[in-house]
Amino acid sequence: GNSVTQMEGPVTLSEEAFLTINCTYTATGYPSLFWYVQYPGEGLQLLLKATKADDKGSNKGFEATYRKETTSFHLEKGSVQVSDSAVYFCALSDRGVERRGAQKLVFGQGTRLTINP
Amino acid sequence: DSGVTQTPKHLITATGQRVTLRCSPRSGDLSVYWYQQSLDQGLQFLIQYYNGEERAKGNILERFSAQQFPDLHSELNLSSLELGDSALYFCASSVEDRGTQYFGPGTRLTVL
Repeated sequence: GNSVTQMEGPVTLSEEAFLTINCTYTATGYPSLFWYVQYPGEGLQLLLKATKADDKGSNKGFEATYRKETTSFHLEKGSVQVSDSAVYFCALSDRGVERRGAQKLVFGQGTRLTINP
Repeated sequence: DSGVTQTPKHLITATGQRVTLRCSPRSGDLSVYWYQQSLDQGLQFLIQYYNGEERAKGNILERFSAQQFPDLHSELNLSSLELGDSALYFCASSVEDRGTQYFGPGTRLTVL
């Protein structure tokens, strides 16, 4: 079945450090890939997405590139801020080879990120 | 603000009871999804409705049921509650039965 694996957390960095959160997936068909972020006490917010191989999603300084050859969608940011402290979820949706059927998101386990000033 | 609303924000109840969680999708969205977030299981898909019809089922217990009404809002009914049902329940919506899902703020259910 479809699955998503994220790097183990928690991750603690200093402000202005470079961030990478690894995400790999297993899927049939043609998955779309997403990063969602959950700030303390809040719901999930879509951070960025990519719908096909080699697409790069970007938002708020975060980037992730859909790599089909390595089945990866790693999240990166060049210079993190204290306000980036949150839990980050990698997810995929896959409607199968026929591109039909309902869509559900399959999530990784989440990576808690803490940025210290 | 995603435009998806959920009520109530918090719910505390006892084992054996029944509760109803409500979700209003973003304006124009026809599809509603329910997810459960718990410490041991992570984020799990429960069920999807599209324009009033059930479209997909995930790891939803038989004690749980959902429906989507003609005005497109959805309700998730949880009955015979157990301690293990304590979790955050999220609703998400999308324009059609595919596409980007936008999440509501969630309902935190505590079963005592």
